Amino acid sequence: GAVVSQHPSRVICKSGTSVKIECRSLDFQATTMFWYRQFPKKSLMLMATSNEGSKATYEQGVEKDKFLINHASLTLSTLTVTSAHPEDSSFYICSAKGLAGDYEQYFGPGTRLTVT
Amino acid sequence: GQNIDQPTEMTATEGAIVQINCTYQTSGFNGLFWYQQHAGEAPTFLSYNVLDGLEEKGRFSSFLSRSKGYSYLLLKELQMKDSASYLCAVRDEDYQLIWGAGTKLIIKP
Repeated sequence: GAVVSQHPSRVICKSGTSVKIECRSLDFQATTMFWYRQFPKKSLMLMATSNEGSKATYEQGVEKDKFLINHASLTLSTLTVTSAHPEDSSFYICSAKGLAGDYEQYFGPGTRLTVT
Repeated sequence: GQNIDQPTEMTATEGAIVQINCTYQTSGFNGLFWYQQHAGEAPTFLSYNVLDGLEEKGRFSSFLSRSKGYSYLLLKELQMKDSASYLCAVRDEDYQLIWGAGTKLIIKP
């Protein structure tokens, strides 16, 4: 099956700093990538959808200036959490979708962000 | 509004069968997914239903009734490793995935 990687798997940063999370599709070209956030014991919350080469589409309530998404190539998307606050601490998961008509999303292993 | 309902938690015995239900009300329907998520890990794909009926895949089966807005995931011959959360998700008319809150399945020896 298709493999999606995320880096880093865990990161601790101080309030006010920025942190970048990478999502890579390792063996397929991801035309669309999704970024999710998940709080403990809660379901996935879609933050944004990004298509290669175009601006990301953010869900209502998600600050695009705070969560910067770049999908510069068909195998890489990045999420940068800017000016991080403790309330940004969460589990961030990316998923990737390949060719049109391929219904499955392939999930990365997730990144645990802790802001101190 | 759009809504996905599934039980919060279920308990079953190793070797037994368990059925996890999911009901949905969404704007349009373009398929229903079941994912398994172990604690601290990302979800993994289990099944996809877009037509009514039962899809069987090994120990896991998924059923869909579009007229009733209802699906279930059936797990047979339960193993301890099946202890996880099971997420139901529906793709709506805009091809957005609407997620349920997940059902935590606890398997007891």
